[in-house]
Amino acid sequence: EDQVTQSPEALRLQEGESSSLNCSYTVSGLRGLFWYRQDPGKGPEFLFTLYSAGEEKEKERLKATLTKKESFLHITAPKPEDSATYLCAVQKGGSEKLVFGKGTKLTVNP
Amino acid sequence: DTEVTQTPKHLVMGMTNKKSLKCEQHMGHRAMYWYKQKAKKPPELMFVYSYEKLSINESVPSRFSPECPNSSLLNLHLHALQPEDSALYLCASSQGGARGDTQYFGPGTRLTVL
Repeated sequence: EDQVTQSPEALRLQEGESSSLNCSYTVSGLRGLFWYRQDPGKGPEFLFTLYSAGEEKEKERLKATLTKKESFLHITAPKPEDSATYLCAVQKGGSEKLVFGKGTKLTVNP
Repeated sequence: DTEVTQTPKHLVMGMTNKKSLKCEQHMGHRAMYWYKQKAKKPPELMFVYSYEKLSINESVPSRFSPECPNSSLLNLHLHALQPEDSALYLCASSQGGARGDTQYFGPGTRLTVL
């Protein structure tokens, strides 16, 4: 069965304190792994798509990496505005469906 | 531009009402999706339209009826809903293709069923 597990469930950081979020997955024939950011009451905002092991993508303070079993979202020197829930999702070959993890709620204190 | 728009932003309806949610995208995407999201949970897929044809129905109750009038528009018709159907309803679109297909989400409609 396809599964996505995100850890930790919640993370509190001080402003400037770098850290990483984890997304472990089991899926046959990975077609893509996706990271989204979601603010309360709003739709998920697309961050990154990763297709194959070894791939890395960066955007401002965020960097996403992918291995054959997991993905990391590294947050460097976070700011309070980075506070949100970060969702990881995978898509397998032959399917239009995304399998989501439960998300990591990040709080960055000033 | 990666914008998906949804109307209305908020909707309150009684269990006997009929209402519709609307979604629009102008990115030339050929796949469109409806999701339901309850508080503190990830989005749950309801329906997928690919090239204007229903390709996935995740065993959604018939009180939810999707419609895709054209490649840019997606509707969700609601009838005889239950209070447990209260949730954030999200629309998404993607190019539709062989490679991992990034889905872009709209802002959502907050639905409350009384």
